[in-house]
Amino acid sequence: SAVISQKPSRDICQRGTSLTIQCQVDSQVTMMFWYRQQPGQSLTLIATANQGSEATYESGFVIDKFPISRPNLTFSTLTVSNMSPEDSSIYLCSVGTANYGYTFGSGTRLTVV
Amino acid sequence: GDSVTQMEGPVTLSEEAFLTINCTYTATGYPSLFWYVQYPGEGLQLLLKATKADDKGSNKGFEATYRKETTSFHLEKGSVQVSDSAVYFCALSDGYSSASKIIFGSGTRLSIRP
Repeated sequence: SAVISQKPSRDICQRGTSLTIQCQVDSQVTMMFWYRQQPGQSLTLIATANQGSEATYESGFVIDKFPISRPNLTFSTLTVSNMSPEDSSIYLCSVGTANYGYTFGSGTRLTVV
Repeated sequence: GDSVTQMEGPVTLSEEAFLTINCTYTATGYPSLFWYVQYPGEGLQLLLKATKADDKGSNKGFEATYRKETTSFHLEKGSVQVSDSAVYFCALSDGYSSASKIIFGSGTRLSIRP
């Protein structure tokens, strides 16, 4: 299965600023998925990123708040913009398929103060 | 839309007890089913999976059988250990393409007493 390197692993940010999270995959993949895990909660899909096209966002998530880049088949970034304390969560990227399973990055633990 | 409902926690057991964590799903097609585990302070790991009806996934002493007739995928282990303390997520994916996303249940926190 693919190996994902995600960074930063954690950060503490001031409200109103932005943070960009990076995920690097050790193989080429068509789709990358970005998730949010709020404290004590399950994972919620933010968006699906396909190389060469705009990301597809789930209900409740918008591009202005969570812009995503997918410049090639092994890399993607998620930016959390104009942060507020409510954005404090773990953010994870993922790749995979239903047949083989999904691999997740180690997560970025974000605290907004 | 597709969804996963799993047993609410937290669940606390003594070491060597039998474990069952219930999971049921709603899906229009024939999804693949997964159990993921998140150990304290760590990332999400695939524990086991099943891709079609009657398949049994197994790993590290854990088992789950894909039951289409009851739309269930319950997680079981015959004798739990303290090291099994973690949060367990049941999940499904509704297709085989690279665009198929995975949908998670709410998670069940398991604590094992020595």
